[in-house]
Amino acid sequence: ILNVEQSPQSLHVQEGDSTNFTCSFPSSNFYALHWYRWETAKSPEALFVMTLNGDEKKKGRISATLNTKEGYSYLYIKGSQPEDSATYLCAFMKTSYDKVIFGPGTSLSVIP
Amino acid sequence: DSGVTQTPKHLITATGQRVTLRCSPRSGDLSVYWYQQSLDQGLQFLIQYYNGEERAKGNILERFSAQQFPDLHSELNLSSLELGDSALYFCASSPSGPNEQFFGPGTRLTVL
Repeated sequence: ILNVEQSPQSLHVQEGDSTNFTCSFPSSNFYALHWYRWETAKSPEALFVMTLNGDEKKKGRISATLNTKEGYSYLYIKGSQPEDSATYLCAFMKTSYDKVIFGPGTSLSVIP
Repeated sequence: DSGVTQTPKHLITATGQRVTLRCSPRSGDLSVYWYQQSLDQGLQFLIQYYNGEERAKGNILERFSAQQFPDLHSELNLSSLELGDSALYFCASSPSGPNEQFFGPGTRLTVL
């Protein structure tokens, strides 16, 4: 049974704090890992697509790293802002012909 | 706006009924994915179609079926509806490969 886990489940930080979350996935057979940002009452929006071990992606204050050998990815947010408040989801694909498995998400609240 | 459209936005029906949810992918995207989000649950992958053919199957009930038409739009058919089928159903599309998925606004199904 494939299991994708995310930690922590929720996080409350002060504006300006930097934070990071973890996504853990099975380390055998890797095709891709996606990170999505999901704001309340909206649809998930893609942040990063990661396909190679050692990948590091960055978009503004948000960055992500990938370790396929040990089965984890980190998402970092530098200088959190209230507008960063959302649920952050990772999604794992073992092969291109396999199902997409989403983690349960990390809910981030940034307090002004 | 992701470019993915879903209709209807809301649907209220009774147990035992059958409904059809419709999804139009972004122009050029060949893959369509269907997800279910029940109360207090994460995104559950149901099924993926690629260029008209079923590519991957998740935890989709036998009462549910889907198809992708030659114009690449997709329909998810839910029959013999039960109270527990009440959920938000998302459609997402992507180009081929491990690319990010673009999510539609979702269809909120309520079974009374």
